[in-house]
Amino acid sequence: NAGVTQTPKFRVLKTGQSMTLLCAQDMNHEYMYWYRQDPGMGLRLIHYSVGEGTTAKGEVPDGYNVSRLKKQNFLLGLESAAPSQTSVYFCASTVKELMNTEAFFGQGTRLTVV
Amino acid sequence: SQKIEQNSEALNIQEGKTATLTCNYTNYSPAYLQWYRQDPGRGPVFLLLIRENEKEKRKERLKVTFDTTLKQSLFHITASQPADSATYLCALDMEYGNKLVFGAGTILRVKS
Repeated sequence: NAGVTQTPKFRVLKTGQSMTLLCAQDMNHEYMYWYRQDPGMGLRLIHYSVGEGTTAKGEVPDGYNVSRLKKQNFLLGLESAAPSQTSVYFCASTVKELMNTEAFFGQGTRLTVV
Repeated sequence: SQKIEQNSEALNIQEGKTATLTCNYTNYSPAYLQWYRQDPGRGPVFLLLIRENEKEKRKERLKVTFDTTLKQSLFHITASQPADSATYLCALDMEYGNKLVFGAGTILRVKS
């Protein structure tokens, strides 16, 4: 049981390039989240999804897009990368009854935009 | 807007002592609060969840309290060990549980 897997683990982008981060979970969870983590600022919610085919904005959605075409996958896209998007990105998933369960996190993707 | 505050400075304690970490929040009334542990280079790992109608929750050497009047949660590690050194994050549910929002975390260092 792999849990939550993020691809890739590391990436360096040039300003203006685009890329997609993939999050895959094998626990049949309904809810999935994308966070970014920067020093001193903790985890900030970018976008989230409460089920296949649905997405919603979090605290810092600008510059990112997401898609949830399959229940097990949640994709985070950067259309035109900027140095301010240099960060560590974490994906998480939970079962539908969030009030009684924890979030499971992936190992993170370290992205550097130069 | 909602705000979650945790001790911004690292907490340094001696092995065997009790570590106490604080999580304060404003402008919101969460139905529950969670605590996570994060080690360098890794994703957060769930530790404990406490609901609004629970005053205290325990798990082995861990204890969490939840005071909805003060809008504060305290996280205690008793008989601390160097292996407890990590960053500890608190998280609140928002929008009826659809969103999980985190504090910035507190670094705990336990010295032997």
